[in-house]
Amino acid sequence: GQNIDQPTEMTATEGAIVQINCTYQTSGFNGLFWYQQHAGEAPTFLSYNVLDGLEEKGRFSSFLSRSKGYSYLLLKELQMKDSASYLCAVRAGYSTLTFGKGTMLLVSP
Amino acid sequence: SQTIHQWPATLVQPVGSPLSLECTVEGTSNPNLYWYRQAAGRGLQLLFYSVGIGQISSEVPQNLSASRPQDRQFILSSKKLLLSDSGFYLCAWSRGGRSSSLYGYTFGSGTRLTVV
Repeated sequence: GQNIDQPTEMTATEGAIVQINCTYQTSGFNGLFWYQQHAGEAPTFLSYNVLDGLEEKGRFSSFLSRSKGYSYLLLKELQMKDSASYLCAVRAGYSTLTFGKGTMLLVSP
Repeated sequence: SQTIHQWPATLVQPVGSPLSLECTVEGTSNPNLYWYRQAAGRGLQLLFYSVGIGQISSEVPQNLSASRPQDRQFILSSKKLLLSDSGFYLCAWSRGGRSSSLYGYTFGSGTRLTVV
């Protein structure tokens, strides 16, 4: 099986930088995904990492260390609209994605 | 471009009544299709997935079933709903075959089911 851990809640201030961590345990690792989910809406794809290192996409970056079973999502220049739940998901082999419970991020003025 | 449609958006059903949620995908062929449930305060739980017509894999034994009568149609059903079936149901698709490892899922807009 797979085990995915991420903090339940985080708070940050508009304009700041926040890092959301995700640790996982799995065999046959084949990719880690980050999704954003606003309340009452479907998750939307943010990023994908399969090799170690940093992937940057605008204000969002995602990092992966396969040896440590660790990833983080970095959000820069936070905006109020970034208040949402951020889901870490892991794929093993060619099987389905297993999602963490999500980190609820609250951005305050 | 590919789109995924899921309906209805909200549903209130009495305990013991049947359920049918439908999901269709456009703009692609032979997609992998998935049904997830998200209960309050819990993560996304995979219920069923399908890699082709008539091929259904069940992840969690429960009061639900799924069917894939056509390539781009995925249906979630129940004969008798339980209170514990309440939740946010999400359909998703991904590219089929080994290339699916390179892509994430695209989710439908979800169905909020309340069993009363």
